[in-house]
Amino acid sequence: GAVVSQHPSRVICKSGTSVKIECRSLDFQATTMFWYRQFPKQSLMLMATSNEGSKATYEQGVEKDKFLINHASLTLSTLTVTSAHPEDSSFYICSARGGAAEKLFFGSGTQLSVL
Amino acid sequence: DAKTTQPPSMDCAEGRAANLPCNHSTISGNEYVYWYRQIHSQGPQYIIHGLKNNETNEMASLIITEDRKSSTLILPHATLRDTAVYYCIVRGLTNDYKLSFGAGTTVTVRA
Repeated sequence: GAVVSQHPSRVICKSGTSVKIECRSLDFQATTMFWYRQFPKQSLMLMATSNEGSKATYEQGVEKDKFLINHASLTLSTLTVTSAHPEDSSFYICSARGGAAEKLFFGSGTQLSVL
Repeated sequence: DAKTTQPPSMDCAEGRAANLPCNHSTISGNEYVYWYRQIHSQGPQYIIHGLKNNETNEMASLIITEDRKSSTLILPHATLRDTAVYYCIVRGLTNDYKLSFGAGTTVTVRA
């Protein structure tokens, strides 16, 4: 099946710094990518929808200036957590769809810990 | 998209079939039923999806009732590696492939 690569798998940063997470579709072109966040023992929460070449669409309650999303090519979307704080510590997961595929493929997730 | 209801947890014995129910009584005619699973600290993995016919692939079978108000995911021979949270999701055709995850069913396969 299609492969979505997410990097890094784990990152620890200091409060106030910015962290960039990359999501790549390795063997297909992803016209749309999604970013999710998951807190411990909770389900995945959709943060934003990223369309190649256009601005991301954010879900209600997600700060677009804090979670910057760039989808500059058909195989790469990035999520930058700006001025990270401890409450931003979470598991971030991307997913991608391409072409006529009726299913989404997910990355392996990034565990962000903000100290 | 229609909401789904799943039992919070279930146990099953290794080597036996695991039957995971999902209720989606408000599903509309153009909405698909998807199943994903998430093994601890990993991204979700696609299992199977269907519209109204039963479906089978190398991982599982999906049985959808005739009125489409409920479905069952069947793992034919559960292994310890099938221990995961299983999500039943209903997706419409017009929401740009967004998937909304509920609480899912935590399945524990025991030796």
